[in-house]
Amino acid sequence: KQEVTQIPAALSVPEGENLVLNCSFTDSAIYNLQWFRQDPGKGLTSLLLIQSSQREQTSGRLNASLDKSSGRSTLYIAASQPGDSATYLCAVRSNTGNQFYFGTGTSLTVIP
Amino acid sequence: NAGVMQNPRHLVRRRGQEARLRCSPMKGHSHVYWYRQLPEEGLKFMVYLQKENIIDESGMPKERFSAEFPKEGPSILRIQQVVRGDSAAYFCASSPLAGTGGETQYFGPGTRLLVL
Repeated sequence: KQEVTQIPAALSVPEGENLVLNCSFTDSAIYNLQWFRQDPGKGLTSLLLIQSSQREQTSGRLNASLDKSSGRSTLYIAASQPGDSATYLCAVRSNTGNQFYFGTGTSLTVIP
Repeated sequence: NAGVMQNPRHLVRRRGQEARLRCSPMKGHSHVYWYRQLPEEGLKFMVYLQKENIIDESGMPKERFSAEFPKEGPSILRIQQVVRGDSAAYFCASSPLAGTGGETQYFGPGTRLLVL
């Protein structure tokens, strides 16, 4: 069964810093991997989707990489802002099945 | 184009009552997924439905939980005889394509269920 782990569980950085969030998964037979943002009491907002054949995706200040063979993905946030404060979730879809497997998230606080 | 809608946003029930959670997918989406987020835990898949069909219910508890997605109207997640352990946030997601494709899922704001 696929297991997804996110490290660190919580992260606090001063505004302007670049940071990296990590996601690892146990089964490399994935269809895609997706990074989401969740604000307190709110739903999930999709940030980046990486297909299994891709190595990275970029959107604005965000860059996500995927190393399927080692079961790892990173989310890089450049020049962090207080508005980036949220919980970031990594989710993996396996080659079989219809569900996403979610990590428990990294809670990010960007201090002004 | 409105996003995925869920109601109610908050639901309080006493032990033994029934909870009904509704999800209206995005316009044009015919695939619905339900996830549960327990306190301090990640989201866990519960069930995947297409119109009038349950495709994958491997994440649903065997008792007290049921889901439907009728031809007309929203998808319903029903929890009978709720217990305190059912307290969680329940999220619905929808997608426009078959569930094994590369598409993303669009999530609703969730229903927060509190069982007293």
